[in-house]
Amino acid sequence: DAMVIQNPRYQVTQFGKPVTLSCSQTLNHNVMYWYQQKSSQAPKLLFHYYDKDFNNEADTPDNFQSRRPNTSFCFLDIRSPGLGDAAMYLCATSSGTSGGEGYEQYFGPGTRLTVT
Amino acid sequence: GQNIDQPTEMTATEGAIVQINCTYQTSGFNGLFWYQQHAGEAPTFLSYNVLDGLEEKGRFSSFLSRSKGYSYLLLKELQMKDSASYLCAVGQTGANNLFFGTGTRLTVIP
Repeated sequence: DAMVIQNPRYQVTQFGKPVTLSCSQTLNHNVMYWYQQKSSQAPKLLFHYYDKDFNNEADTPDNFQSRRPNTSFCFLDIRSPGLGDAAMYLCATSSGTSGGEGYEQYFGPGTRLTVT
Repeated sequence: GQNIDQPTEMTATEGAIVQINCTYQTSGFNGLFWYQQHAGEAPTFLSYNVLDGLEEKGRFSSFLSRSKGYSYLLLKELQMKDSASYLCAVGQTGANNLFFGTGTRLTVIP
């Protein structure tokens, strides 16, 4: 089945220790997104790639970086995690084709990050 | 900018019908999505509306009025497994991303 995969599902890191979260997709979608979601809050878009074009949200801290080496993979790097970065990180994809349904997003299961 | 309002919490009885409302303000509206999210899990797609009217899909229906900036999700024959958060999200013309509301946490009781 075509899907969005995130590894690991649970990640524990130490305060200030860099951590990388990974996402892969078999949908061959053009667009990949990274969201941060804290308890009882809406998913907050951090950035997205349309193919290789990187789009950063204005309020995404510099501490968060992303890489997309190819169509299938996208990484979220947190350079110096703080306690406030503990959250669920969701990866999503969309086809990006014209027409509203091209915006339908398919989510991975998420990685829950704990910062100690 | 965008703004989405949904009730924070709702409770309904198993077997009943519940309507979850969503109002939005956005420039360049390009579709409204409803997602279901169970606790600790990723959102899953429920419905998409871009034209006014009602879209029915099994026990779930979604309605849109673009002139009023209003949508609702209707859940019929509620089951215990329908207890989840329901996220309203809007697409914006010229953008590849969706803007999500904070979600409505629905609790279904016996």
